[in-house]
This record gives sequence, C-alpha cells and structure tokens, in this order.
Amino acid sequence: QQPVQSPQAVILREGEDAVINCSSSKALYSVHWYRQKHGEAPVFLMILLKGGEQKGHDKISASFNEKKQQSSLYLTASQLSYSGTYFCGTEIGGSARQLTFGSGTQLTVLP
Amino acid sequence: NAGVMQNPRHLVRRRGQEARLRCSPMKGHSHVYWYRQLPEEGLKFMVYLQKENIIDESGMPKERFSAEFPKEGPSILRIQQVVRGDSAAYFCASSPPSTRNTIYFGEGSWLTVV
Repeated sequence: QQPVQSPQAVILREGEDAVINCSSSKALYSVHWYRQKHGEAPVFLMILLKGGEQKGHDKISASFNEKKQQSSLYLTASQLSYSGTYFCGTEIGGSARQLTFGSGTQLTVLP
Repeated sequence: NAGVMQNPRHLVRRRGQEARLRCSPMKGHSHVYWYRQLPEEGLKFMVYLQKENIIDESGMPKERFSAEFPKEGPSILRIQQVVRGDSAAYFCASSPPSTRNTIYFGEGSWLTVV
C-alpha cells in the first residue's frame, strides 16, 4: 500500500522552513527519503529504521514515529538547491525489501 | 566508483516494437530493482531480482514485460509489443546483499513510444 505524503506541493522563499510528512497504514521497518530534480534520478537523502530515530545532515533532518507509522522530513533555512520533488519510500520488512514510494511533494524555493 | 549504470538513456520505439533496457548495478551490489515513473507521478515498483533469480515481480504487468538478471552481464528489462502507455522513465536501483540497506538509483531510461 502506497504511503501518503503531505503536502502535495509547497512554495517557500529562501531561508524559510518546511516540513514534509509521510504516513503509512502498515507497520514499517524503515523509511527512506529521496529528492528528485526534474529529468534526473532520485537522490538518496537518508534512511530511518524502526526504533523512532531521528537523523539529519546539514539543514535537512527527519524523524520516524514507529507507533504512528509516520515520518517527517524537516528542511530548515531552505536554499535554492533544495527545490525538487521529495519522495518517501517505505519498507514493510520481512522478505519485502523493495520500497513503496509516496506520490511525492513538490518543493519550490524562490529567491 | 561507478554508480548504477543504465542504458540507453533515451529510447524511441514505434508501437509494436520491442524495448530492451539495461542496468549494471553498483560494484558489490547483488540486488537489482526496477521502477517505472510516469510523467508527473511517483515511482512504481516493478520487480526485484538477485543474480539468476526473480525475488518479487508483483509490480510487473502480466503481459509483455519481463526482467532478468543473469549470472554474467547486466539486468535487462524487456518490453514486447510496446504501446503508447509504456512511455515512461524506467529507473533501475541496486543495493548490497546485506539487509536493510539503502537502494541507489541509476539515471533512468526514458522510453518514448510513437
């Protein structure tokens, strides 16, 4: 079952913050976040494993609430280079190693 | 350290022809995944393969589509008798053999059916 991402789109000015949410109706083993620019491959950002961990690098961080089967991606002090479509990919565990992706959140950062 | 290599990057086929897309995983990666992305949509899982084995093909259309990952050589996604609706970007990804690892995407093959 496809995870649900929200919002579908967000427009920011450089320096503003954004939160992108990803929720699933199934128990998750891990959540993977990717960013894709138009016409390019998805680029890996980070992976969060069950256990409710939080991760981050630079000004992008994420959390995973195992009880709620939700993950949030936090972008602080957005830069122009953050523009793109953000996808969460969920893994339900067991033998199912493939990721099921949400429909994406289109982020546009304006100068 | 080459990443996931896909070719061709762009492919144009007439309706009814066959399309073959190739994917060489990253060095040391023995798991290959194929995803399809329609314009302005998300990534849809198609098939998960290990060397000489199809592990999960639950996302593959029942007809005209097939995938393989032979002992030697790249993984191949084959689409027979292409139709306009097959026009999409096809992304290959790979991961190492150990569990719970990140999957890394290639740059995609854009198929256009005319």
